[in-house]
Amino acid sequence: NAGVTQTPKFQVLKTGQSMTLQCAQDMNHEYMSWYRQDPGMGLRLIHYSVGAGITDQGEVPNGYNVSRSTTEDFPLRLLSAAPSQTSVYFCASSRTGEVSPLHFGNGTRLTVT
Amino acid sequence: GNSVTQMEGPVTLSEEAFLTINCTYTATGYPSLFWYVQYPGEGLQLLLKATKADDKGSNKGFEATYRKETTSFHLEKGSVQVSDSAVYFCALRANAGGTSYGKLTFGQGTILTVHP
Repeated sequence: NAGVTQTPKFQVLKTGQSMTLQCAQDMNHEYMSWYRQDPGMGLRLIHYSVGAGITDQGEVPNGYNVSRSTTEDFPLRLLSAAPSQTSVYFCASSRTGEVSPLHFGNGTRLTVT
Repeated sequence: GNSVTQMEGPVTLSEEAFLTINCTYTATGYPSLFWYVQYPGEGLQLLLKATKADDKGSNKGFEATYRKETTSFHLEKGSVQVSDSAVYFCALRANAGGTSYGKLTFGQGTILTVHP
């Protein structure tokens, strides 16, 4: 059981470039989300989805797009990378319900120069 | 809005020492509270949770009690090991119904290093 798989693990972009961070889960979880982790700030929610075809914004959505065409996949798109988007990105999923824990991927470390 | 405040680190201990990492929160209503642990190069893993006041979450020798009167959820372990070296995150989920179940608010994280 792979759990939550993120690719790539590392990425370097130049300002203005675009890219997609991939996230896939094989646990049939309805809920998926993207967080960014910055030093001294914990994790902040970027976007989330409660099921295929449904997405919504989190705390820091600007500069990012998401889509949820299948239950398994939840890609995060950076439209025009900026140095402020240098961070570690985590995808997480869970079943619905308030006591269900989040399952995290191992992260993507992104550097924008 | 909701917020979580953790004691600032890093925390450095010798093996078998007692560990406390303080966590306090601000939230409306009755949130669920969590501790997550992040080992080097990995994602976060749920360590323990508590869903109502006076609940005690426990796992792997770690404990935390949901104290509504002091809005706290301090993490404790009686005897730490080198393998406990990691980053620890306190988090809350405001049980506001709807799609709130996935929206966690995290503290800034506390780095723990345990020396032999």
